[in-house]
Amino acid sequence: EPEVTQTPSHQVTQMGQEVILRCVPISNHLYFYWYRQILGQKVEFLVSFYNNEISEKSEIFDDQFSVERPDGSNFTLKIRSTKLEDSAMYFCASIQARNTGELFFGEGSRLTVL
Amino acid sequence: SQQGEEDPQALSIQEGENATMNCSYKTSINNLQWYRQNSGRGLVHLILIRSNEREKHSGRLRVTLDTSKKSSSLLITASRAADTASYFCATDSGSARQLTFGSGTQLTVLP
Repeated sequence: EPEVTQTPSHQVTQMGQEVILRCVPISNHLYFYWYRQILGQKVEFLVSFYNNEISEKSEIFDDQFSVERPDGSNFTLKIRSTKLEDSAMYFCASIQARNTGELFFGEGSRLTVL
Repeated sequence: SQQGEEDPQALSIQEGENATMNCSYKTSINNLQWYRQNSGRGLVHLILIRSNEREKHSGRLRVTLDTSKKSSSLLITASRAADTASYFCATDSGSARQLTFGSGTQLTVLP
């Protein structure tokens, strides 16, 4: 069964360092998302991406964050200068079309900022 | 309460019993979805109910939606130890299909 894959599964970084989290969405999907879940808290929407541009973003998604689809298969989330409060699980998700409803999530990348 | 709030926060039942989790939300929605998350793992989609539907079944799952009360319930019948997980409702109300998740119900099914 096709699945969304994410790498790395866990990354530890020092505060102020740049981090890139990678995702390979399901191949025929057109809409891509990043969500994050701080330990013990809700899953929060960060950004949606369609047709090589951001379609929606939340207040969390500030100038420290960026997304890119560099090669038609990978979908990346970059955090330019990590802060302690960026420690969380980051989930990538994809959907084939707007009216299909179900999002397919990856297993997540756990980011720990020291 | 915030969009997509579940209750109870935690539920512990014996195997074979039914588990009911509730979700309330505040804004109008396109659909409401339920997801499951095992500890430290990703989110697995369980069932989607559209705003014009009132009830939906999938295997041992039964979901209801009351748009007048802005609430939904998830019923898991004949629970199994393997059903132990966190269950989240998520509302879809935006044009870009982003989901707003609730805080979840931690279900523990005791063997």
